[in-house]
Amino acid sequence: DQQVKQNSPSLSVQEGRISILNCDYTNSMFDYFLWYKKYPAEGPTFLISISSIKDKNEDGRFTVFLNKSAKHLSLHIVPSQPGDSAVYFCAASTTSGTYKYIFGTGTRLKVLA
Amino acid sequence: DTAVSQTPKYLVTQMGNDKSIKCEQNLGHDTMYWYKQDSKKFLKIMFSYNNKELIINETVPNRFSPKSPDKAHLNLHINSLELGDSAVYFCASSQDNNSPLHFGNGTRLTVT
Repeated sequence: DQQVKQNSPSLSVQEGRISILNCDYTNSMFDYFLWYKKYPAEGPTFLISISSIKDKNEDGRFTVFLNKSAKHLSLHIVPSQPGDSAVYFCAASTTSGTYKYIFGTGTRLKVLA
Repeated sequence: DTAVSQTPKYLVTQMGNDKSIKCEQNLGHDTMYWYKQDSKKFLKIMFSYNNKELIINETVPNRFSPKSPDKAHLNLHINSLELGDSAVYFCASSQDNNSPLHFGNGTRLTVT
């Protein structure tokens, strides 16, 4: 039972345009959400997080939006750059529970120059 | 000065062998983890240790035995390796359960 889902396995975007990566979750107990970026042969690198008390968090070109009623979060990258080409994972956890981060299956983003 | 380092990066071995993967973090974090990324690219938690104590064992076969000699180290020993154990194993650490995970670069295990 996949509690965190990324339904788009891949996404291609032109350089300079906006990239929108989506993530859905099923467990309403999740209250902390994270996005990771992964290059080949490397470990996932933390990008940005959001707590359930917020609906938006911004860090430079990266913004994460959280819609709790829809159990949906999205990562916006603007403007997209070729170096952003990677696999992006969303993850979720319950801060009051055990140390358990559940990951989605990832979306491969390709930014075309 | 890599924050989370794991060795080896690649491990090729035959079925039935026993192998270990080592992990060290220099971030001063209290919690360490092992994750497995299988052929379908799922990143699944296997174990979590907090201050050297096991807090999550995600129904992993008992052929897998984690060992945490201190807060900065979490090693993974695997007995009687099977073909299905082939995967990339990631070590990670975090300060608490409201903080991001920091991952190592992974160990690609291939069992032949």
